[in-house]
Amino acid sequence: NAGVTQTPKFRVLKTGQSMTLLCAQDMNHEYMYWYRQDPGMGLRLIHYSVGEGTTAKGEVPDGYNVSRLKKQNFLLGLESAAPSQTSVYFCASINRGLGYTGELFFGEGSRLTVL
Amino acid sequence: KQEVTQIPAALSVPEGENLVLNCSFTDSAIYNLQWFRQDPGKGLTSLLLIQSSQREQTSGRLNASLDKSSGRSTLYIAASQPGDSATYLCAVRFSGGYQKVTFGTGTKLQVIP
Repeated sequence: NAGVTQTPKFRVLKTGQSMTLLCAQDMNHEYMYWYRQDPGMGLRLIHYSVGEGTTAKGEVPDGYNVSRLKKQNFLLGLESAAPSQTSVYFCASINRGLGYTGELFFGEGSRLTVL
Repeated sequence: KQEVTQIPAALSVPEGENLVLNCSFTDSAIYNLQWFRQDPGKGLTSLLLIQSSQREQTSGRLNASLDKSSGRSTLYIAASQPGDSATYLCAVRFSGGYQKVTFGTGTKLQVIP
């Protein structure tokens, strides 16, 4: 199994450009999350989803949009990138089915720089 | 507000020493607690997961304990090695907001050969 896969791994944007980060998981997990990690601030939750077709705001949702059209995919969009969105973005998922442990699985991260 | 704190932010020890990393959380009503390791520029690797009904979990040289009543978890690393150098993160899933997982800011460990 691939687990949680994020694409792209690296991206450089100019202020005002848009882009989408894709997170794909092959573990049939119900919950999926987008975090950002900044030096000295730890991981902060941007948005999350508890199932296909549902999304909710986390701690720092402004400037981001998300969609969960398919259970295995969770997309994070930046409509108009700002330098403050320079960060490392992590996707994660948790299962909720039979044998549920609540263990959080992470992707390898996507490093975004906004100039 | 439900918060997770890790102190110290950085720790430097000589190789071979046994060490303890601390994680404190503000609400004792939790589902589980998970310890991660993060190497520079890399993702998060899960080390141990402790359910709220458990007191400890062990994996190799690692042992994690959980004391919900005092809001504390410790990660014990035996016979530390230079390869253990990394940032260690604690993550707590609090009850009530079970969809969300709250992270501490981590302890950066350096094991000196």
